Formats: sequence, C-alpha cells, structure tokens
Amino acid sequence: EVQLVESGGGLVQPGRSLRLSCAASGFTFDDYAMHWVRQAPGKGLEWVSGISWNSGSIGYADSVKGRFTISRDNAKNSLYLQMNSLRAEDMALYYCAKVAFRYYYYYYMDVWGKGTTVTVSS
Amino acid sequence: EIVLTQSPGTLSLSPGERATLSCRASQSVSSSYLAWYQQKPGQAPRLLIYGASSRATGIPDRFSGSGSGTDFTLTISRLEPEDFAVYYCQQYGSSQFTFGPGTKVDIK
Repeated sequence: EVQLVESGGGLVQPGRSLRLSCAASGFTFDDYAMHWVRQAPGKGLEWVSGISWNSGSIGYADSVKGRFTISRDNAKNSLYLQMNSLRAEDMALYYCAKVAFRYYYYYYMDVWGKGTTVTVSS
Repeated sequence: EIVLTQSPGTLSLSPGERATLSCRASQSVSSSYLAWYQQKPGQAPRLLIYGASSRATGIPDRFSGSGSGTDFTLTISRLEPEDFAVYYCQQYGSSQFTFGPGTKVDIK
C-alpha cells in the first residue's frame, strides 16, 4: 500500500525554523516527484513546493521563496521541507503528496499524506 | 503565476440533483493540465479528475470533467450523500502549481 507519513510539525515562535519530513513507503520513491501543499485553518489548499525525482527541478510558491527549502533523500525514502523565518501566515496543516507518474514533474498528485500541523505563535 | 477562480463559492443542493462547478484560469492551462480534488472535513484531498476530463481510479462515473484553455467544469450528475464536500481545481502545467479557492457543495 502506498503511504506517506508527515512529521516534524509543532509550535514555533515567529522568526524561528522548523524541518518537516515525509516518510514514503509502498512505491519506488526514487522515481517520483513530490510536493508539499499546505492548508491554513479553515482555508483552501496552497501549493508550497515541489521537487522532481532526481532533484533536477525544484519550485516554490512566491509566498515561501527564499525562506523554505525542499529536499529529498532517495536512500531514505524521505522528503523534507526546511522552513526558516517562519511567519504567522505559515501556520497550517502541511501535506506531502506524490505525483502520479514516474519521472514526471508537471503532473497531478495522486496520493496524499494525512499532514502535520505547524503552529507559529509567540 | 496562473490564478484559478472557482464559482460558485457555495452550492446548496439536494441529494439526487446535478452539481455544476466552474474553474476559470487567468491564462491558458497547458495541455489541459487541470485536476479536480474532493476534500471532506478532517481528511486529505482525494484526486477525482486529471487531464481536465479523465477520472481517477475508483471514481464513480457520476463525476465528469470537461473544458480546455481557461474554462473548466466539474459535473456531478446525481449527488449522493457522500458527495457533499469541498472541491478544488488545480493546474499543474506551469512552474508554480496553483489551486483554486474551492467550491463547497452542501446539503440544501
């Protein structure tokens, strides 16, 4: 069974950093692009960042560019999101999601994790 | 960045009725790289439609997608009780993937 499990969320003060992780299982992680999508409380979905299977293509939403860094460790079947200079508006449930087809970056997301919650507050 | 606008914001219907949801893009969506997702409270989004009109695995045929360019539609032919949820469109054809703000389908 394909599974994505996010972790690393928590309470953090504005201006501080946090690193999210997403552990993948049930598929050949190396072959698939991955994304982070967030959802603020009571709000809609916002794409945050994506990374291709070989890390050759990486993208960020304007709202996080320069503050967040996406990365992956294919040997550990893991996706990461390093979040620096956190703001109140970064508070959200963060989902990781898998792209549907091998080696494609520009493709839809077919499997989502349950998310990890980031709270930014002093 | 391609901005997606969804209408209406809320659709109040009864079970058995037809639902028509609209998604409009600020510029043409490359190769109809448009998807629709369903989200219920407390759950992760679920893929319904990709490529504007292809149903994902296991999605009932009462869900259909259409459109191209800048105008896309999700239709639910006969609403079942489990279909009351929020629906998001998403484009994945440009360097910044974007979602629409969502349409909530609730029970009238």
